Amino acid sequence: GAVVSQHPSRVICKSGTSVKIECRSLDFQATTMFWYRQFPKQSLMLMATSNEGSKATYEQGVEKDKFLINHASLTLSTLTVTSAHPEDSSFYICSARDDRFIEKLFFGSGTQLSVL
Amino acid sequence: LAKTTQPISMDSYEGQEVNITCSHNNIATNDYITWYQQFPSQGPRFIIQGYKTKVTNEVASLFIPADRKSSTLSLPRVSLSDTAVYYCLVGEGRDTGRRALTFGSGTRLQVQP
Repeated sequence: GAVVSQHPSRVICKSGTSVKIECRSLDFQATTMFWYRQFPKQSLMLMATSNEGSKATYEQGVEKDKFLINHASLTLSTLTVTSAHPEDSSFYICSARDDRFIEKLFFGSGTQLSVL
Repeated sequence: LAKTTQPISMDSYEGQEVNITCSHNNIATNDYITWYQQFPSQGPRFIIQGYKTKVTNEVASLFIPADRKSSTLSLPRVSLSDTAVYYCLVGEGRDTGRRALTFGSGTRLQVQP
């Protein structure tokens, strides 16, 4: 089946630093990818929609200057958490939609970000 | 986007059949119904997807009544490893473009020995 690779799986950083998370579709092309965040024992919250070759669309309340999204190719989207603070600590999950089967959404394994 | 309502939690025992029902009263004509499973600290995993009637795969069945305002995920003979959160999502029909799927609260299934 379709595979979405997300790296790193876990990252610990100091407050004020930036962290980049990569999301790759390994065996399919994905014009559209999505980024979610999830706090403990809560559901996934959509942060932004990433479209290849164009600007990302952010959900209300999500700071676009803090969460930079780049979707430079049909198989790669990156999320950069800039000037991270402890409140940014969360589980970040990417997902990608196979261009051939847009009904299905495939998810990465997630990145646990801990900001000290 | 269609809002979904599921039970917050369910308990079962190994070997039993588990049915989780999801309500989606304002489902759109082109919307599909998709169920995902999530284990702690992992991304959601696709279980099954359907549009109407019944769909069955190697791990589950999905029952959708004619009015499509609800759906039931059926897990046959659950095991301890089926303990997880199950999400019902509605949306992203073939003709609706590339909207994201919105997650509801999910159902936390606990399987006991």
